[in-house]
This record gives sequence, C-alpha cells and structure tokens, in this order.
Amino acid sequence: AQSVTQPDIHITVSEGASLELRCNYSYGATPYLFWYVQSPGQGLQLLLKYFSGDTLVQGIKGFEAEFKRSQSSFNLRKPSVHWSDAAEYFCAVGAFKMYSGGGADGLTFGKGTHLIIQP
Amino acid sequence: DVKVTQSSRYLVKRTGEKVFLECVQDMDHENMFWYRQDPGLGLRLIYFSYDVKMKEKGDIPEGYSVSREKKERFSLILESASTNQTSMYLCASSLFSSGSINTGELFFGEGSRLTVL
Repeated sequence: AQSVTQPDIHITVSEGASLELRCNYSYGATPYLFWYVQSPGQGLQLLLKYFSGDTLVQGIKGFEAEFKRSQSSFNLRKPSVHWSDAAEYFCAVGAFKMYSGGGADGLTFGKGTHLIIQP
Repeated sequence: DVKVTQSSRYLVKRTGEKVFLECVQDMDHENMFWYRQDPGLGLRLIYFSYDVKMKEKGDIPEGYSVSREKKERFSLILESASTNQTSMYLCASSLFSSGSINTGELFFGEGSRLTVL
C-alpha cells in the first residue's frame, strides 16, 4: 500500500526567508504526486502536481517542487515566503486503482505540515 | 471554474441524531469522495463513489454511510452521531476518463465542520 510521510509537523520561517517542506512517499510504481495548501477553515487547494517528465514542477503562488525518484521524495520549495503563506500543507500520492466500472480510489495524504510565518 | 459545494459549513448536532452532509459538484466528475480531517491525523478517506449508486469503503467507514443517487451529488450520512465524529468533513471529486491518463487530482469543497454534543 502507498504511504506519505511529512516529517515536520510544524515549521516556523521568517517572512522573506526561503522555505522547504519535506515529503517522502512509498509507492510501488511511478507515482502521481501532489501538494495541496489549506488556509484556516477552508478546503484544500492544489499548489502543484507531478505526473511525468521534468522532475522540477512549478505551481501557483511561486511554489515549486522537485521529484527525486532515488530518494522517494517530493519536497516543496519557495525562495521567499510571505505572511499569507501561513497555512497547512499536504503532500499526497496518487493511488490509482481500476475498478470494473471504471474510476479510482482517492489520494493518500500525509499528515500535513503547519507553516508559521514570523514577521 | 471547478466547483465543489458543501451545503453546510458548520453544524452542531446532539448525540444520537441522524446527520446528513451534502456535496454537489458541477464538473461532471465520475468520482466523489468523503474525507475526514482531524488534527495530527491528516485526511482519512471514509467512502468514495465512482458512479451513480456505486460506493466503496475507504479507510474509516465505520459509523458512516453514503448515498449517490445522481452523478453530481454525494451525501455522507451519520445514522446516529457520536461525539467521536466531531470533525471537519471534506468532500472532493475527480475526473475519470476512459482511455486517458487519470491522475487522481482531487477538487475539494470548503469543508463542513461538525460538532456533536
């Protein structure tokens, strides 16, 4: 079965500093990988995704992530954080499974990293 | 724009009450999901559906049931609410296209925060 580990429960970063959020996954095949962001009291919004091809993917809000197959990692980065980046960040792996009627089961999520921005 | 709408953002119910959480998507997606989110536990899949009247159990189905009578609507039902079902519930949908690459990308609603007293 697939799994996702986000080693850092909380991270505190000063505004304007760089950011890296870690994500490690376990999956038997080439994964589909995602980063989502959740602002307080809101649903999840997709930041970026990796399916194939270039291992460095760009997302919204100035975020990027790099897929490293040898390390089973998909770390999220941003060169300079803003106070509005304070949120919960979730890494997820696609657990694609075919059923006779078509369709798939859902993504498997990590437990999230809470990002705090210091002024 | 893609839209997943959860009818109730906040609910307060009493132990033993029957609770319905409604979710509607306007993207003609085949797959719909209900997740539960708790601090320190992340998102856990309760049920999902890949077609009308079809459903599959997720990781934590106990105490829940679902209904999908129409493609755009997926309901989560708590037959007899208990205090340990106090949580944030997130509905999501994804596209399945026969013959195409299906990535499993999920589109989420805003969430329904349920408190059971």
